[in-house]
Amino acid sequence: DSGVTQTPKHLITATGQRVTLRCSPRSGDLSVYWYQQSLDQGLQFLIQYYNGEERAKGNILERFSAQQFPDLHSELNLSSLELGDSALYFCASSGPGLAELDTQYFGPGTRLTVL
Amino acid sequence: ILNVEQSPQSLHVQEGDSTNFTCSFPSSNFYALHWYRWETAKSPEALFVMTLNGDEKKKGRISATLNTKEGYSYLYIKGSQPEDSATYLCAFKGGSSNTGKLIFGQGTTLQVKP
Repeated sequence: DSGVTQTPKHLITATGQRVTLRCSPRSGDLSVYWYQQSLDQGLQFLIQYYNGEERAKGNILERFSAQQFPDLHSELNLSSLELGDSALYFCASSGPGLAELDTQYFGPGTRLTVL
Repeated sequence: ILNVEQSPQSLHVQEGDSTNFTCSFPSSNFYALHWYRWETAKSPEALFVMTLNGDEKKKGRISATLNTKEGYSYLYIKGSQPEDSATYLCAFKGGSSNTGKLIFGQGTTLQVKP
């Protein structure tokens, strides 16, 4: 157990809908990262937050947004869902500093299925 | 576009065999190379973070080496056991900005037969 929690574990929804994925980092970690794992792709970096502020952005679609709250938990919002958004979404955390060597600890993931 | 390549894509070995696989990454703007172990139905688990050219890290029967000048890292498993069966991921961290963005390879899936 990495100490990173994600809810829900599974999510099934329809095209056009909006969902919110939630992540709680390890105690003391200030950075949160979101990754997407699709069937035919490796882990793709979406976005990083550090202590409530956006730090880095990857190939995140405009339909997707994220935020990190004062208690450091993070939410990833996916809207106007398409079939191709079906994937495993991981949250990871590191810290408490911004050291680039920090190991990222991964949560169990949320499996999103869009029908 | 930064590419991180891992080979082979998959590997089947017998219990007791030693094995190794490769991660290739951009040799410019290097900052760190991470290795992760990902078992089915679990989340990726950190193995090593490597930063220095010539670095060698070891954890039990698993070790890794790093060549930043030519852009590759090897992961070795000595005397493979069935519990080593997993996908091994490497991830490249560039040094252009103060972020934790990792670029992952597609992974090498290892299956160890008893």
